[in-house]
Amino acid sequence: GAVVSQHPSRVICKSGTSVKIECRSLDFQATTMFWYRQFPKKSLMLMATSNEGSKATYEQGVEKDKFLINHASLTLSTLTVTSAHPEDSSFYICSASDRVGTEAFFGQGTRLTVV
Amino acid sequence: QKEVEQNSGPLSVPEGAIASLNCTYSDRGSQSFFWYRQYSGKSPELIMFIYSNGDKEDGRFTAQLNKASQYVSLLIRDSQPSDSATYLCAGEYGNKLVFGAGTILRVKS
Repeated sequence: GAVVSQHPSRVICKSGTSVKIECRSLDFQATTMFWYRQFPKKSLMLMATSNEGSKATYEQGVEKDKFLINHASLTLSTLTVTSAHPEDSSFYICSASDRVGTEAFFGQGTRLTVV
Repeated sequence: QKEVEQNSGPLSVPEGAIASLNCTYSDRGSQSFFWYRQYSGKSPELIMFIYSNGDKEDGRFTAQLNKASQYVSLLIRDSQPSDSATYLCAGEYGNKLVFGAGTILRVKS
């Protein structure tokens, strides 16, 4: 199956700093990438949908200025958590698909801990 | 509102038994459903997807879809301890996936 690589897998940062998470599709062109957040023992919550070359579409309740998403190319999308606080600590997962209506492949996830 | 419901479990089955995981959805707008397996601390892995009424089999896994009852299930035959994980059901709406909360499966050897 298709490969989606997410980096870093784990990051610890100080409160108030920003963290960038990368999501790359390695063997296909991802027209759409999705960013999810998952709290312990909870399901995945879609944060935003990222389309190459256009602004991301954020889900209700997700702060656009807090979670900056850039999808500059067909193989790379980034999520930047700005001015991170301990409540932003979570498991962030990206997924990518090459066209609407097909299965999406998940990255390995990033465990963010804000101290 | 699009919702996908799953029993959180845990569902415990002995090794070699059939595990039956269930999922219901509230919005008929979804045409495709996906089952993912997620091990603790890892991201979800796709097991299979289904979009037609009836059964779809892939190895030890069988997905069942009943659109009239808005019900999706996943059967795992000959369950193994390595199948112990959280199983996520997701419905596709447009190009988005709406996930259920997941069912924890424990296979006891």
